[in-house]
Amino acid sequence: ELKVEQNPLFLSMQEGKNYTIYCNYSTTSDRLYWYRQDPGKSLESLFVLLSNGAVKQEGRLMASLDTKARLSTLHITAAVHDLSATYFCAGFMYSGGGADGLTFGKGTHLIIQP
Amino acid sequence: DVKVTQSSRYLVKRTGEKVFLECVQDMDHENMFWYRQDPGLGLRLIYFSYDVKMKEKGDIPEGYSVSREKKERFSLILESASTNQTSMYLCASRHNRGPGEKLFFGSGTQLSVL
Repeated sequence: ELKVEQNPLFLSMQEGKNYTIYCNYSTTSDRLYWYRQDPGKSLESLFVLLSNGAVKQEGRLMASLDTKARLSTLHITAAVHDLSATYFCAGFMYSGGGADGLTFGKGTHLIIQP
Repeated sequence: DVKVTQSSRYLVKRTGEKVFLECVQDMDHENMFWYRQDPGLGLRLIYFSYDVKMKEKGDIPEGYSVSREKKERFSLILESASTNQTSMYLCASRHNRGPGEKLFFGSGTQLSVL
């Protein structure tokens, strides 16, 4: 059974600072997903990481995947208030039936203060 | 634009009632999913479907059933609602074309069972 753990679960930081959210998973999972959720809204896909060493960047967010360490990171550079949200990572769980159910971490509630 | 539509944004039901949550997607996606989201627990997979009339149990299927009679529609059924099923329910869908396919979420149904 795949388990996904994020840390920290809560993060308050100041604008302009850098920080990293960590996502560890328990068994082989060579696909890793990052999602963003704003309060009262649904989840928005940020990144899909498919292979060891994969790195993807969009704006101030950069995600990476190390399948050997079973670790993905979401790095925030020079944070701005608009990035305040809850961030989820999710690993891939193969069912054998043709579809895959994602296993989500508990989410990191990020608050960026001026 | 991709669209996953959940029929109700808020729903209040009584214990013991039969509850239907409906989800429709307009992207011809093969795979559809139902998750529930609870504070501090993240998203947990209830059921998913990889094709019409096909279904697979997720991590927490107890007390739920699903129906997929048409490709675009995936229904979650609570046969006899209980208070511990009070939660936010999220439907999602994606193509089954490969590992890089993103999962698209509906806006969620907040269900309260009294």
